[in-house]
Amino acid sequence: SQQGEEDPQALSIQEGENATMNCSYKTSINNLQWYRQNSGRGLVHLILIRSNEREKHSGRLRVTLDTSKKSSSLLITASRAADTASYFCATDNNAGNMLTFGGGTRLMVKP
Amino acid sequence: DTGVSQNPRHKITKRGQNVTFRCDPISEHNRLYWYRQTLGQGPEFLTYFQNEAQLEKSRLLSDRFSAERPKGSFSTLEIQRTEQGDSAMYLCASSPRGRGQQETQYFGPGTRLLVL
Repeated sequence: SQQGEEDPQALSIQEGENATMNCSYKTSINNLQWYRQNSGRGLVHLILIRSNEREKHSGRLRVTLDTSKKSSSLLITASRAADTASYFCATDNNAGNMLTFGGGTRLMVKP
Repeated sequence: DTGVSQNPRHKITKRGQNVTFRCDPISEHNRLYWYRQTLGQGPEFLTYFQNEAQLEKSRLLSDRFSAERPKGSFSTLEIQRTEQGDSAMYLCASSPRGRGQQETQYFGPGTRLLVL
């Protein structure tokens, strides 16, 4: 079963614009992670934020976590056509035993 | 390339046949995970190993699914008597030792199964 939901399910933007994706989850977590998946390929780990952190940055990525609302957001700044992919949030509630993924946001960045 | 590898990358089989997939984790990663992903959905956890011990298998979809990691290195996932509903991408991931490091999972390219 899916832990949470990503919102929106699909997003189309122009190159250079920012893209924001949201994730909600249901149970308490140890950490929340974001992954990217290019069409038909495996997942690539982007960033991990722990339950006691509120914001984290990595290059053009910014992740926030609000445990009171059980939600997270991923912001990609200055998007590029190469950012076109599906983005998934995943929650870990037991330090690495398993990840529970949401349904993903399909991002298209038009050149 | 020292990433997670999976073989085969694609498998087409007829309903009722058995299939076996292999996963080679990143060297020295002690944890290995299997997930299933259907079209348009996020991956769904199936099972995981710490070294050769299978520590969680309650999420395997039915008793037709089984996994092994006999020497704590590569792993195999077998589906017996395949059904059309088993058609999906099967993903393997591994994670390293060490407190604070094991949460990040590194995924392989997946094996895409089509059951006719």
